[in-house]
Amino acid sequence: KAGVTQTPRYLIKTRGQQVTLSCSPISGHRSVSWYQQTPGQGLQFLFEYFSETQRNKGNFPGRFSGRQFSNSRSEMNVSTLELGDSALYLCASSQGQAPYSGNTIYFGEGSWLTVV
Amino acid sequence: AQSVTQPDIHITVSEGASLELRCNYSYGATPYLFWYVQSPGQGLQLLLKYFSGDTLVQGIKGFEAEFKRSQSSFNLRKPSVHWSDAAEYFCAVGADNDMRFGAGTRLTVKP
Repeated sequence: KAGVTQTPRYLIKTRGQQVTLSCSPISGHRSVSWYQQTPGQGLQFLFEYFSETQRNKGNFPGRFSGRQFSNSRSEMNVSTLELGDSALYLCASSQGQAPYSGNTIYFGEGSWLTVV
Repeated sequence: AQSVTQPDIHITVSEGASLELRCNYSYGATPYLFWYVQSPGQGLQLLLKYFSGDTLVQGIKGFEAEFKRSQSSFNLRKPSVHWSDAAEYFCAVGADNDMRFGAGTRLTVKP
């Protein structure tokens, strides 16, 4: 069974630009979560989608958005990029409707975003 | 909301020595507990998880963890560390449809 797939793996953007990251969950998984990982802040939850609906959202500005498609694939978008958005963005998928209450989440390898 | 503390930012052990990584959580009930490992430049890989039942949980790569309710702890152990275990280890707590990660413990293995 293929794991969680994230694309692109590495990208460099300029301040003010916008970026879209893609995530394909494990087959059969309907929940997709996004995390930002930085050396200073560690792993921070961005948002979680289940059946195309955003169910949870972390404490990030509105420049960070996401969506989920009917095939459970998900994208996250960051607009008006800032230098502080440089991070590893991790996608995770899980079965079921309550991923943190009985189901395990599985992570992709992440997308490295550098903002210059 | 739940919280997780990993008191040790960095631990160095010799190859072949035993290892214990500490994790303490704060939550009103028994949460779901996880340990993940992250190698440089990679995503997080699940080592083991505790949902209920036996408080000693076996995981992959020879790791185990023990849930101690009285101490609100979920420490990760390995009897003999291999050089390939050098990585960052994250404890995580899941509850109330939310997931919180500790700050991580970076493990260095000396030859």
